[in-house]
Amino acid sequence: DTEVTQTPKHLVMGMTNKKSLKCEQHMGHRAMYWYKQKAKKPPELMFVYSYEKLSINESVPSRFSPECPNSSLLNLHLHALQPEDSALYLCASSHKTARTPNEKLFFGSGTQLSVL
Amino acid sequence: GQQVMQIPQYQHVQEGEDFTTYCNSSTTLSNIQWYKQRPGGHPVFLIQLVKSGEVKKQKRLTFQFGEAKKNSSLHITATQTTDVGTYFCAGQWNNFNKFYFGSGTKLNVKP
Repeated sequence: DTEVTQTPKHLVMGMTNKKSLKCEQHMGHRAMYWYKQKAKKPPELMFVYSYEKLSINESVPSRFSPECPNSSLLNLHLHALQPEDSALYLCASSHKTARTPNEKLFFGSGTQLSVL
Repeated sequence: GQQVMQIPQYQHVQEGEDFTTYCNSSTTLSNIQWYKQRPGGHPVFLIQLVKSGEVKKQKRLTFQFGEAKKNSSLHITATQTTDVGTYFCAGQWNNFNKFYFGSGTKLNVKP
């Protein structure tokens, strides 16, 4: 299994809603990532988990709350989002977290989020 | 923060023509990776370059890493319609869990 699975594929939410995005991989990867991608823009790093611990937070607003319940799962909890948060949210994983250059990112197909 | 500049933003070519996209960093990179994102899809890993001056080939694709490890290029020979998509470079500096993507080059190939 070389897939990163994200659910849901599409999500529409109001600014007062609470929702969660889910990501799952069974490749034994110990680093997992959340990226945000606006239309016609590159992916922007949001969070990195290494061995289920948050290692990088790229100054993301607190209305985005990541969670890594175990080595295979990654969630992104959403609360009180703004319309400008509408984007494609991509989950990715990579094999190692040691200081090695032999990493590559495996991306999921993303959740297309619309905030009304 | 670290940035990778990528040009051109768009490239329209006739099928069979060559295509090149360039990435440049103001500081020395640890390594650079290249990804392809098809329309409506997600980024897919193509290659990683680690060594100064490294050149790697994948069929019609040639990837280069500069001697100073500050720039990289992707060259496609004789483009095909299946090459359509956006090509991103992604640079890594000291922290191997941080991948910063270039702005991307969107390639359109006319049959």
